[in-house]
Amino acid sequence: SAVISQKPSRDICQRGTSLTIQCQVDSQVTMMFWYRQQPGQSLTLIATANQGSEATYESGFVIDKFPISRPNLTFSTLTVSNMSPEDSSIYLCSAGLAGENTGELFFGEGSRLTVL
Amino acid sequence: GQQLNQSPQSMFIQEGEDVSMNCTSSSIFNTWLWYKQDPGEGPVLLIALYKAGELTSNGRLTAQFGITRKDSFLNISASIPSDVGIYFCAGSTGRGSTLGRLYFGRGTQLTVWP
Repeated sequence: SAVISQKPSRDICQRGTSLTIQCQVDSQVTMMFWYRQQPGQSLTLIATANQGSEATYESGFVIDKFPISRPNLTFSTLTVSNMSPEDSSIYLCSAGLAGENTGELFFGEGSRLTVL
Repeated sequence: GQQLNQSPQSMFIQEGEDVSMNCTSSSIFNTWLWYKQDPGEGPVLLIALYKAGELTSNGRLTAQFGITRKDSFLNISASIPSDVGIYFCAGSTGRGSTLGRLYFGRGTQLTVWP
C-alpha cells in the first residue's frame, strides 16, 4: 500500500484568499488524483495530476480555480484560488499503484477547508 | 459519465448481524474497489476486484465482482461496533496501469447497535 500525507489537515480561510494543499506519498506512484468531498456527499474527481505536465481537469473544474502541480512521482499540490464559502469542503489526494492487471488507489486523510 | 447506484443508502443493524450492500453501474467496469470512511478520515481501501465473478475476502468482509461486470456487492459478517462508517463502492473502466479515474457510489452509512 501507499501512505499519503496531506497538509494542512484543516484550515479556516477568508473569502478571496487562496490556499495550497500539499500531498506527499511515501513511494513512487504512477497515478495521483485530487478529489473533493462536500459534507455528507460522495467523492468528486477534480483532476488527474500528471507528472511534469499540466493536470487533466474534469468537467466543471478549471485550472485557474484549482491549479495543480506534480513535480515528481511522490508529490503534488492543489491550490484553491479566490475562495468563496462554496469551496468549503474536504479535499482528498489519491495515489495509485498499478500492476499488470491490478490497480489500487489510496487516499490521504483529507484537508478540511472552511471558507468564511 | 458513468453512474453508480449504491444501495442501501443507510443501514441500522444489531451487533452480530450480517450486512449486504451493492453497487450497479450503467457501464461495464474492469475494476471494482470498496472503501470505508470514518468521520474526519480519508477512505480506506478494503477490497479490490479485477475479474468478472471474482470473490474476494478480507477478514469478515467479502466482495464479489458481478458476472455482467456492471455490479458488485460487499458483505460484512457478524458485524461489530467498529464496522460503523460509510462504505463506498468505486469502479473503473481501466485496469492496472490504465486504472485511471474512479467513479464513486453515494455511499452506505452503516450504524451498528450493541
